[in-house]
Amino acid sequence: DSGVTQTPKHLITATGQRVTLRCSPRSGDLSVYWYQQSLDQGLQFLIQYYNGEERAKGNILERFSAQQFPDLHSELNLSSLELGDSALYFCASSKGRGGADTQYFGPGTRLTVL
Amino acid sequence: GQQLNQSPQSMFIQEGEDVSMNCTSSSIFNTWLWYKQDPGEGPVLLIALYKAGELTSNGRLTAQFGITRKDSFLNISASIPSDVGIYFCAGLEGAQKLVFGQGTRLTINP
Repeated sequence: DSGVTQTPKHLITATGQRVTLRCSPRSGDLSVYWYQQSLDQGLQFLIQYYNGEERAKGNILERFSAQQFPDLHSELNLSSLELGDSALYFCASSKGRGGADTQYFGPGTRLTVL
Repeated sequence: GQQLNQSPQSMFIQEGEDVSMNCTSSSIFNTWLWYKQDPGEGPVLLIALYKAGELTSNGRLTAQFGITRKDSFLNISASIPSDVGIYFCAGLEGAQKLVFGQGTRLTINP
């Protein structure tokens, strides 16, 4: 158990819908990272937040957005869902701003878009 | 963005055999990491490498940071059934972004 929690574990929805994935970082960690893992693209970094502020952006689509709240939990919002958005979405957390900080991954949310 | 080439994509070995996998990049990384992912779980960090030429062990696992900073390898000695899973290399791009290899799926025949 990494100490990072993600809900829900599974999510099934239809194209065009919007969903919210939630992540609670390890106690004391200030950074939250979101990753997408699909069969054809592998693990892709989406976005990082540090202490409530966006810190780094990766291959995140405009239909996706995230935020980190004052209690440091984070939400990833996916809208206008397409079939290709079906994937595992992982959240990770680390103590500091990033760099060589160890990132601890949550168990993931499996999103299926029908 | 940068791409990591990880090989082999899959391995089928007998229990007790040694395993070797590697990652190469066209660009330099300043940090290399190796993760293992079990089914239904998130990746778990196995070894982190911070200096070119660094050789680091974690139990039966040994990883090295290539001196060109463009490659890394992971060795597992005397494999056991719980070593089954997918192994990922990752390089730290810039200050925050992890770039992952495509993974090596390890299957062990008892």
